[in-house]
Amino acid sequence: DADVTQTPRNRITKTGKRIMLECSQTKGHDRMYWYRQDPGLGLRLIYYSFDVKDINKGEISDGYSVSRQAQAKFSLSLESAIPNQTALYFCATSHPVGTGSTDTQYFGPGTRLTVL
Amino acid sequence: DQQVKQNSPSLSVQEGRISILNCDYTNSMFDYFLWYKKYPAEGPTFLISISSIKDKNEDGRFTVFLNKSAKHLSLHIVPSQPGDSAVYFCAASAQGGSEKLVFGKGTKLTVNP
Repeated sequence: DADVTQTPRNRITKTGKRIMLECSQTKGHDRMYWYRQDPGLGLRLIYYSFDVKDINKGEISDGYSVSRQAQAKFSLSLESAIPNQTALYFCATSHPVGTGSTDTQYFGPGTRLTVL
Repeated sequence: DQQVKQNSPSLSVQEGRISILNCDYTNSMFDYFLWYKKYPAEGPTFLISISSIKDKNEDGRFTVFLNKSAKHLSLHIVPSQPGDSAVYFCAASAQGGSEKLVFGKGTKLTVNP
């Protein structure tokens, strides 16, 4: 079973619709992240959460919101989807192991979102 | 302002030869660097990392070199295999990896049989 799962894997929606992308993890990690990937632009951080009560904006948070329902669940919402939010969305998790140690992020399989 | 740069969008090499993927960074606070590999329709997977206290880290066929003075790192794959064909992302973070990652745009590696 995958450690980080994302639902749905693919979604086509229309401009103005509200969309929620969900992420669940069984790794027991405290930290969770949402990224989007656009062709030629790499991965850009949307939001991140270091624990259930901690939510932080990333590089490109405008137009998005998140909810950390539990340690294992982190959802990304597009309140009113627009075409330039068409992208691949990835959830990731990590566990801090101490100062000077690695904080490797583990990614889910991604959600391909198309906004018409 | 792009803090992590991968200036080669693509690279093509022959099976058995060396693949060298390059990455430059501008933020002197970065002290931890990672390489991720991504296949189509999958999420990125961690490949190898290096701390700024080292200048080389090796894991099997994969070696990462770090030149702090030049703010440059490279990933060497020897020998290259067709299964290595993927997009490779360089990423960097500050404070020993406890801060969020900043990714480069990726380099698509194609290893030809």
